[in-house]
Amino acid sequence: NAGVTQTPKFQVLKTGQSMTLQCAQDMNHNSMYWYRQDPGMGLRLIYYSASEGTTDKGEVPNGYNVSRLNKREFSLRLESAAPSQTSVYFCASSDPPGGSAEAFFGQGTRLTVV
Amino acid sequence: EDQVTQSPEALRLQEGESSSLNCSYTVSGLRGLFWYRQDPGKGPEFLFTLYSAGEEKEKERLKATLTKKESFLHITAPKPEDSATYLCAVQGKRDDKIIFGKGTRLHILP
Repeated sequence: NAGVTQTPKFQVLKTGQSMTLQCAQDMNHNSMYWYRQDPGMGLRLIYYSASEGTTDKGEVPNGYNVSRLNKREFSLRLESAAPSQTSVYFCASSDPPGGSAEAFFGQGTRLTVV
Repeated sequence: EDQVTQSPEALRLQEGESSSLNCSYTVSGLRGLFWYRQDPGKGPEFLFTLYSAGEEKEKERLKATLTKKESFLHITAPKPEDSATYLCAVQGKRDDKIIFGKGTRLHILP
């Protein structure tokens, strides 16, 4: 049971380049989340998806887009990367049918924009 | 708007010196309050979920408690391996957002 899998683990981008961060979960969870973590700022919610086919903005959505491809997969896209988007990105999933609501996290993607 | 505030930002303790971490929250109807542990370079690891005021949960040297406005993570006789960042988060009944505090960095000295 892999849980939540994120790819890639590390990435360096040049300013203005685009990329997509991939996330997949195998726990049959309904909800999925994307967070960014910066030193001293804790985890900040970028976007979330309560169910397949729905997405909603979180605390810091500007500069990002998301796609809930199916129940398992939730991708995060940076259309034109900026140095301010240098961060560690975490994907999480929660809310199994009939279960409790805690979220389970992937191991993160460390993104540097130069 | 849901909010979570954790204190202190950092805490250094001697091995065996018990203490508590605080998590104050505001939320539109609490669905759940969560505690996580995060080690450097890794994703957060789930510890506890608390659902209603008065609830308590324990795991080894950790005990989490909940009131209507705050939660405490009590650490009894900590060991160096308890050193980590501890994160608190809340989920309200209005939507599926899970909002985190900034965390408490705990360092246990041998």
